[in-house]
Amino acid sequence: NAGVTQTPKFRILKIGQSMTLQCTQDMNHNYMYWYRQDPGMGLKLIYYSVGAGITDKGEVPNGYNVSRSTTEDFPLRLELAAPSQTSVYFCASRHRQGGNTGELFFGEGSRLTVL
Amino acid sequence: EDQVTQSPEALRLQEGESSSLNCSYTVSGLRGLFWYRQDPGKGPEFLFTLYSAGEEKEKERLKATLTKKESFLHITAPKPEDSATYLCAVGPGGNFNKFYFGSGTKLNVKP
Repeated sequence: NAGVTQTPKFRILKIGQSMTLQCTQDMNHNYMYWYRQDPGMGLKLIYYSVGAGITDKGEVPNGYNVSRSTTEDFPLRLELAAPSQTSVYFCASRHRQGGNTGELFFGEGSRLTVL
Repeated sequence: EDQVTQSPEALRLQEGESSSLNCSYTVSGLRGLFWYRQDPGKGPEFLFTLYSAGEEKEKERLKATLTKKESFLHITAPKPEDSATYLCAVGPGGNFNKFYFGSGTKLNVKP
């Protein structure tokens, strides 16, 4: 199993450009999440999904969109990139059968810089 | 408002010098407190879940404990390979999918 795979690992965007961060998991997890991590700050939840076709906002959803057409994929779309979106983005997934263990499986992250 | 505060921000230890990291939390209906380890340039890796006050979990040189207001991660006789950032998170009762993470403690263990 590859676990959670994120692409790209690094990207530089110009202000106003758009892009999609890709996330795929091969563990058949129902729950998937997108977080952003700024230097010296904790992980902030952007969006999450409890299954294909179902998504919901997290703590910091503005400027982002998501979709969940399959169990495996959970792409994050940035529209009209702004410098405030410079961050490291992490995708994560969790077993539904895991109950309340809180065990999230994270990808390696995507480092985005907006200039 | 649900929140998690970790201290200290950074901790430097000599190899073998035991210490503790603190995680204080405010959350509505705690359903779990979680500890993660994060190495530079990597995603966080799950360590423990604690569910109720008085509970303890151990893994190698790490022991996590929980009270009604805070959790401690005790590191006994640390080794250089224990160097990492340790993150604490809580799962609120209102929506278990909306975990709140602290900003982490960066641990550096010198040989």
